[in-house]
Amino acid sequence: DAGVIQSPRHEVTEMGQEVTLRCKPISGHNSLFWYRQTMMRGLELLIYFNNNVPIDDSGMPEDRFSAKMPNASFSTLKIQPSEPRDSAVYFCASSFGIGQPQHFGDGTRLSIL
Amino acid sequence: DQQVKQNSPSLSVQEGRISILNCDYTNSMFDYFLWYKKYPAEGPTFLISISSIKDKNEDGRFTVFLNKSAKHLSLHIVPSQPGDSAVYFCAARGGNNRLAFGKGNQVVVIP
Repeated sequence: DAGVIQSPRHEVTEMGQEVTLRCKPISGHNSLFWYRQTMMRGLELLIYFNNNVPIDDSGMPEDRFSAKMPNASFSTLKIQPSEPRDSAVYFCASSFGIGQPQHFGDGTRLSIL
Repeated sequence: DQQVKQNSPSLSVQEGRISILNCDYTNSMFDYFLWYKKYPAEGPTFLISISSIKDKNEDGRFTVFLNKSAKHLSLHIVPSQPGDSAVYFCAARGGNNRLAFGKGNQVVVIP
């Protein structure tokens, strides 16, 4: 079975540019999560969706970050404009139900120069 | 504020011996605890979990113990194998269903 698929795996861009990260959850999973991992703060939940509806976006750092889930098989996390402090590994995860163990993608390593 | 803490960031253990990873939490409302394993350049993989109504859960070589009064859980791996070399994350679920993660423990199993 295909796991959670994230793209791109690596992204290097200059500050001020728009960055779009993509995620395809496991088929049949109805909950989707976006995390950010940094050395300082570890794994932080940014936002999660249940049945394509955003449930909790309190972890989104600021208005430059936005996330959408237009259908059950696709989600995006967008940063506009990007800043060097956004450099991190961004993970997407999905689960069958909010409280169930989450399955993670392999992440997108984002570097903002 | 870190609600889930994993001290002793790295652990080295001989193959065949026991690996013990510890995790402390501060929020008494956490009702479900999980351990994840992570290899470099991959996402975390779910390993084992325990509900707050239990004090032990075992799955093969992996056992998780929960001490609610101490707000402490531990993961035991026995016997340790070279393939267990990875970073292990402790996570806890709060009443809003959000997972709070520790910063991880690096385990190195020496053949």
